[in-house]
Amino acid sequence: DGGITQSPKYLFRKEGQNVTLSCEQNLNHDAMYWYRQDPGQGLRLIYYSQIVNDFQKGDIAEGYSVSREKKESFPLTVTSAQKNPTAFYLCASSDTGPQRQYFGPGTRLTVT
Amino acid sequence: GENVEQHPSTLSVQEGDSAVIKCTYSDSASNYFPWYKQELGKGPQLIIDIRSNVGEKKDQRIAVTLNKTAKHFSLHITETQPEDSAVYFCAASRSSSNTGKLIFGQGTTLQVKP
Repeated sequence: DGGITQSPKYLFRKEGQNVTLSCEQNLNHDAMYWYRQDPGQGLRLIYYSQIVNDFQKGDIAEGYSVSREKKESFPLTVTSAQKNPTAFYLCASSDTGPQRQYFGPGTRLTVT
Repeated sequence: GENVEQHPSTLSVQEGDSAVIKCTYSDSASNYFPWYKQELGKGPQLIIDIRSNVGEKKDQRIAVTLNKTAKHFSLHITETQPEDSAVYFCAASRSSSNTGKLIFGQGTTLQVKP
């Protein structure tokens, strides 16, 4: 069964704690992306990676960190420096260049 | 910077009617324009896409048109059904950098009334 998996579906954390969101894909895609979605808004790019061991900041990278040690995995850490971390986080993957991006089911993070 | 404007923000139609959602982009170098459908609590699903070398593309009840001169593109859904109710997002690529980065519109909530 091919696709993108994100875990967990719901995540709850206390303010001041770091939390890591998982994203795995078995589509053999080189590029992977993390987006943040807030209610009633579009998707905003946090980080992206076009190849293993390389990644770039997106439009709202402050307070987030990523790693890309394996082609199929692109975990996102939401640090305590992120001022408003409560949101719906979406991971996507694609072949390199302006290609079709496919999304995972998302992780809803709530920080109180 | 690059921007994608999407209208309307909400759209309500009767079952069987057509629905049209419009997007305008600012980066004239954009060359890839996908449309996504997002159901409540789920990830966006790619429903159709078009590249700048094509003016129109159709897939069953869904079609997309592109006007490069005016820098706008539209999603057309014909014979709407209740299951078409969802949030629809348009996007445009930052093709000049070849990174595959997409700029998304703000979304349109489509309600199809039975």
